[in-house]
Amino acid sequence: GAGVSQSPRYKVAKRGQDVALRCDPISGHVSLFWYQQALGQGPEFLTYFQNEAQLDKSGLPSDRFFAERPEGSVSTLKIQRTQQEDSAVYLCASSLRPDVSGANVLTFGAGSRLTVL
Amino acid sequence: DQQVKQNSPSLSVQEGRISILNCDYTNSMFDYFLWYKKYPAEGPTFLISISSIKDKNEDGRFTVFLNKSAKHLSLHIVPSQPGDSAVYFCAASPNAGNNRKLIWGLGTSLAVNP
Repeated sequence: GAGVSQSPRYKVAKRGQDVALRCDPISGHVSLFWYQQALGQGPEFLTYFQNEAQLDKSGLPSDRFFAERPEGSVSTLKIQRTQQEDSAVYLCASSLRPDVSGANVLTFGAGSRLTVL
Repeated sequence: DQQVKQNSPSLSVQEGRISILNCDYTNSMFDYFLWYKKYPAEGPTFLISISSIKDKNEDGRFTVFLNKSAKHLSLHIVPSQPGDSAVYFCAASPNAGNNRKLIWGLGTSLAVNP
């Protein structure tokens, strides 16, 4: 597609529920990133994929967070047993090249806003 | 502790005038700096970047200045237009292309008044 598409745009979950957030990156983009943006904060890195390989998951806050990109295109971020502190906007971004060196501009999706009650 | 600080949460400017958005950083390992713009209900959009080997980068109405000794950068928008009204994020990384290590500021909300 023309841009990075994320769904759902809004999700309300009860504490303890599992949620799945989807990201459809720009076709042909090698790199895919997930960021978490809490209210009034800047985005914080969660995890990075180069094609289907998850090369960095150092930003995932707990083992309740899991991400996959099985065919190197669409990615899903899953949060198990959601907690109130998980409430945030989850941003997906993609870029054309691997995240190694040289300018590699990110294109962000509009985000999925998760509210955990 | 915030490694990238945008100390002004908001800024209001008259159309046609200059907007100056400031950003300070604490980590001397940062070598590459970016500005992103964000409209409500949209994701951030890349605006302009600068490497530490430069002190200025210009792209149309947007200029970024870097003062390494002061660990300070600023984004100048001249002339400001109402469509520039958005939240501007400063971000820093140890090197270009290392988006995993990008550290973001909290953003400055710019309002350009007609």
